[in-house]
Amino acid sequence: GQSLEQPSEVTAVEGAIVQINCTYQTSGFYGLSWYQQHDGGAPTFLSYNALDGLEETGRFSSFLSRSDSYGYLLLQELQMKDSASYFCAVRDDQAGTALIFGKGTTLSVSS
Amino acid sequence: DVKVTQSSRYLVKRTGEKVFLECVQDMDHENMFWYRQDPGLGLRLIYFSYDVKMKEKGDIPEGYSVSREKKERFSLILESASTNQTSMYLCASSFRVGPYEQYFGPGTRLTVT
Repeated sequence: GQSLEQPSEVTAVEGAIVQINCTYQTSGFYGLSWYQQHDGGAPTFLSYNALDGLEETGRFSSFLSRSDSYGYLLLQELQMKDSASYFCAVRDDQAGTALIFGKGTTLSVSS
Repeated sequence: DVKVTQSSRYLVKRTGEKVFLECVQDMDHENMFWYRQDPGLGLRLIYFSYDVKMKEKGDIPEGYSVSREKKERFSLILESASTNQTSMYLCASSFRVGPYEQYFGPGTRLTVT
């Protein structure tokens, strides 16, 4: 089967840098995605890594190491509005075109 | 902008009722998905569909069924609602190819009493 592990909570202050890790176990692998969900809102897509390395999109970056079955989301210059839940997600042979999500990491940014 | 809409934002039903949750997307996406979200459990896949009249079971299909008669519409059916189906239900859609970026609807908060 498939499983994803990520920390349940992370706290940081405005302006800081935070890294949210995700380790996965899948049968086959087709990429690692990250989604953000504000309280009461719908999840929104942040990034996708199919190959090893770092992908940067503004203040957010995502990293993947397929040999280690590991990825992370890096958030820089944290702002209060970054307080949200962050989910890593994978596709694998069993899920087909569907995504399997981790349980989510709640990020709390304080001033 | 992609838009995924769900028929109700909040819904209260009684145990044993048949419940229909509707989802419509306007981006001509082939794939559509139903998840439920519970505190501490993340998003769990109930069913998904990659084409009209096609469906695949996800991780937790028991007690649910789905219908996809048109490409833009994907319905989740609770045949006989139970209190353990009280949850947030999220619909999503995506293209069949590419990074499979999923677009989510606003969710339906279902309470079964």
